[in-house]
Amino acid sequence: DADVTQTPRNRITKTGKRIMLECSQTKGHDRMYWYRQDPGLGLRLIYYSFDVKDINKGEISDGYSVSRQAQAKFSLSLESAIPNQTALYFCATSDTTTGQNEKLFFGSGTQLSVL
Amino acid sequence: DQQVKQNSPSLSVQEGRISILNCDYTNSMFDYFLWYKKYPAEGPTFLISISSIKDKNEDGRFTVFLNKSAKHLSLHIVPSQPGDSAVYFCAASANPGRRALTFGSGTRLQVQP
Repeated sequence: DADVTQTPRNRITKTGKRIMLECSQTKGHDRMYWYRQDPGLGLRLIYYSFDVKDINKGEISDGYSVSRQAQAKFSLSLESAIPNQTALYFCATSDTTTGQNEKLFFGSGTQLSVL
Repeated sequence: DQQVKQNSPSLSVQEGRISILNCDYTNSMFDYFLWYKKYPAEGPTFLISISSIKDKNEDGRFTVFLNKSAKHLSLHIVPSQPGDSAVYFCAASANPGRRALTFGSGTRLQVQP
């Protein structure tokens, strides 16, 4: 079983719809992240959470919101999806207890298409 | 403005030869650098890292070099193997502990048999 699980793997939705992407982890890591990948732009940070009560905006948070329901769960919501939010979305985790905060463990990604 | 830049979108190398992937950064506060590898339909995986107190870190066939004065780092793969064909992302961190990684745009490496 994957340590970082993203659901769904693929999603097609229409402009204006609300959509939620979910991420769960069994690694016991305290930190969780949401990135999006676009061709030519690499991975860009949307939101990150250092623990359940510590949530921070990344470089491209507009149009997105997140919820850290538990240490193991971090969901990303698009309140009103628009076509330029079509991208590959990655959830990631890291563990501060090892002193390797920057070593991220990624899920397999969610391909989102907004028509 | 991208703070971490990978100016070569793609690179093709013959099996057995050296692959050199480059990365430049603009933020002088970055003090920890990492390389991630990504295969199709998978998430990126950590490959190798280097702290700004070092100028070289080696792990098997992979070596990362850091030139702080030039704000440049490179990943060397020797010898290259077809299984190394993937997208490689450079990433950087400032003030570890309170900041998340900043990634480059990636370089697609193709190792020809």
